[in-house]
Amino acid sequence: ELKVEQNPLFLSMQEGKNYTIYCNYSTTSDRLYWYRQDPGKSLESLFVLLSNGAVKQEGRLMASLDTKARLSTLHITAAVHDLSATYFCAVGFEGSGYALNFGKGTSLLVTP
Amino acid sequence: NAGVTQTPKFQVLKTGQSMTLQCAQDMNHNSMYWYRQDPGMGLRLIYYSASEGTTDKGEVPNGYNVSRLNKREFSLRLESAAPSQTSVYFCASLSGTGTPNQPQHFGDGTRLSIL
Repeated sequence: ELKVEQNPLFLSMQEGKNYTIYCNYSTTSDRLYWYRQDPGKSLESLFVLLSNGAVKQEGRLMASLDTKARLSTLHITAAVHDLSATYFCAVGFEGSGYALNFGKGTSLLVTP
Repeated sequence: NAGVTQTPKFQVLKTGQSMTLQCAQDMNHNSMYWYRQDPGMGLRLIYYSASEGTTDKGEVPNGYNVSRLNKREFSLRLESAAPSQTSVYFCASLSGTGTPNQPQHFGDGTRLSIL
């Protein structure tokens, strides 16, 4: 059974600080995704990571993938209030039509 | 572009009632999915359709049926609703093979309460 574990599940951080969210998964994955969800809203795609060593950056967010360690990280640089949301990582496999297995999400609150 | 459209957006049912959640995508995607989201549980896969004409069970299929009506539409049916099915339901679609950099696109969700 595939398990996707995120930590921390809750994160309160001050504006301007840096932090990293971790995503571990239990079996080899073809694709790893990061999504953002605002309260009461749908999921917004942030990153798709396909290969070992992949690194992608968008604004204050940077995601990386280590397939050997089965670990992805989402690094937040100089946090701002607008980044407050829930962040999910998810993995998919070709054999299951790329249906996603999600972590439980990290609820991020950025405070002044 | 509409993307993935789900109807209805909100619904309240009584235990034992049936209903169908509708999902349509206008991106010519091959694969479609139904997930449910419960507090503290992330999203869990109910059913998916990797291509038109095929459907497969996900992690939590009990109490649900699906129909891939055509390439655009994928419906989820609750035959006899139970309070445990109170949740937010998301439909998603994916282009399929040949587009590895593309993510799944999600609809806005259906918020379903069963009393």
